[in-house]
Amino acid sequence: EPEVTQTPSHQVTQMGQEVILRCVPISNHLYFYWYRQILGQKVEFLVSFYNNEISEKSEIFDDQFSVERPDGSNFTLKIRSTKLEDSAMYFCASRILGTGINTDTQYFGPGTRLTVL
Amino acid sequence: AQSVSQHNHHVILSEAASLELGCNYSYGGTVNLFWYVQYPGQHLQLLLKYFSGDPLVKGIKGFEAEFIKSKFSFNLRKPSVQWSDTAEYFCAVYSGTGRRALTFGSGTRLQVQP
Repeated sequence: EPEVTQTPSHQVTQMGQEVILRCVPISNHLYFYWYRQILGQKVEFLVSFYNNEISEKSEIFDDQFSVERPDGSNFTLKIRSTKLEDSAMYFCASRILGTGINTDTQYFGPGTRLTVL
Repeated sequence: AQSVSQHNHHVILSEAASLELGCNYSYGGTVNLFWYVQYPGQHLQLLLKYFSGDPLVKGIKGFEAEFIKSKFSFNLRKPSVQWSDTAEYFCAVYSGTGRRALTFGSGTRLQVQP
C-alpha cells in the first residue's frame, strides 16, 4: 500500500537556523498538508497546498514558514529562522483530488521530530 | 471556529474489556468526522470516518463509532480490546465550509494491559 514518507525522522537544530523538512506524498495525490504537534498538545493544522499554491493556512503559519513542491514528488516545509517554540513533531499528509467519502481522507506520514536548541 | 474535545486523556483497560472513547465537536453545520490511531512509533492511520448516512460507522480492527448529531458526539467503541490496541486515538473533524483542514482533538492514550 502506498505511503507518505518524511525525512528526516529527527532533526536537531540551533535556534535561528533554517530547516527544511521533506515529504513525499502518495503519487496520485494532489492536495498536501503540513500539521504539527507540540509535545503534549493537539495536532494543529499549518497549511494546505494545491496546484502549486497555498490554498489555506493557519495563524501559526507566519512569514517564517514556507512550503514548496520543488519537483513532481517532494513537498517541503521550510522554517526560515527556528525558534525554541518550533520544537514539535511535524506531520505531512496528502489526499487525492475531489470531495466525498472516497477522496476526503488524508493520509499521514510518520512525522519529523524537530528539536530546536 | 470549530473545536474538538476528547475528555479521556489516558485510559487503562485490561484485555477483553469494552472501550468507549468520547469525542465532542462544536460546529453547527455539516461535519465530516474521523478517528485516527497512532501506534507507538508509527504514523497516524485512519480507523474510520463518517460523512453521511448510517450514523453507526464500522472501521478497521473491530472499531466502530456512532455519530449523534443532537449531542455533537462521535464516540469510538470496541467491544473487546486487545493488547495490540495500545495506542493514541485522535478524533478529528472537517467543517462543511469547504475547508479541508482537519481539526484534531487532544488525543486519548489507551493502554491495554495483558
